[in-house]
Amino acid sequence: GAVVSQHPSRVICKSGTSVKIECRSLDFQATTMFWYRQFPKQSLMLMATSNEGSKATYEQGVEKDKFLINHASLTLSTLTVTSAHPEDSSFYICSARDGGRVNTEAFFGQGTRLTVV
Amino acid sequence: KQEVTQIPAALSVPEGENLVLNCSFTDSAIYNLQWFRQDPGKGLTSLLLIQSSQREQTSGRLNASLDKSSGRSTLYIAASQPGDSATYLCAVGYKLSFGAGTTVTVRA
Repeated sequence: GAVVSQHPSRVICKSGTSVKIECRSLDFQATTMFWYRQFPKQSLMLMATSNEGSKATYEQGVEKDKFLINHASLTLSTLTVTSAHPEDSSFYICSARDGGRVNTEAFFGQGTRLTVV
Repeated sequence: KQEVTQIPAALSVPEGENLVLNCSFTDSAIYNLQWFRQDPGKGLTSLLLIQSSQREQTSGRLNASLDKSSGRSTLYIAASQPGDSATYLCAVGYKLSFGAGTTVTVRA
C-alpha cells in the first residue's frame, strides 16, 4: 500500500512553545490530508481537513489559531500546535488517500506523541 | 452525523480461536468502509477496504463483510494468533468516522 510518513514520532516541549508536525505522502500525491487527535483509550477524532494550496477546514470545536495547518505541496502537510499547553498533550495522526478520491483506501502516518510539560 | 459503534469493546480468546468483530453505522450512504489495526502507541495499519458495492473482502486470514442497507460490517479473523493482539477500528466516510475500537487479546 501507499506510505504516509509522519515526523516526529515523539516530542516533548515546554508550555508556551510551538511544535510542528510533518505529514508526507511518500509515493503518491495527496491533494487532501486529514489530521486526527486521539486521547488515551479513545478513538480518533477528526480535527481538520488539509487542502493543498488553500485553507484548511476545521471541525467544530477545534481552534484554528492554536492548530495551524499548512499544505504547501502535494506531498506535505504540517500541523503546528501554537503556544502549547499541557492539555494539548495527545497523540496526533495524519492520513491521506492516494489521488484524493473519495473511494480509495486511506493510509495513516505513524502518529506523533506530543507531551507538553 | 455518522455514528459508528463497535461491539464488543474488548475480547480475550485462546490462540487458535476465530475472532468476530462487529461494526455498525447509522448513515448507510457511504462510499466504503475500512478496517484498521492499531498497536499500542502506534499509527493505524489498513487491513481491508470494502467498497459500498461489495458484500465482502478477504485478505489471508481476514474476511470482512458489509451489509450497507442494515449499516453493519463484521471482521472475521480465522485461527487467531498472539500476534493478532491489537485494537481493531472500523471507519466510514471520506473523512473517516471511527468507532471506539475492539481491543483483542489472544492468549498463547
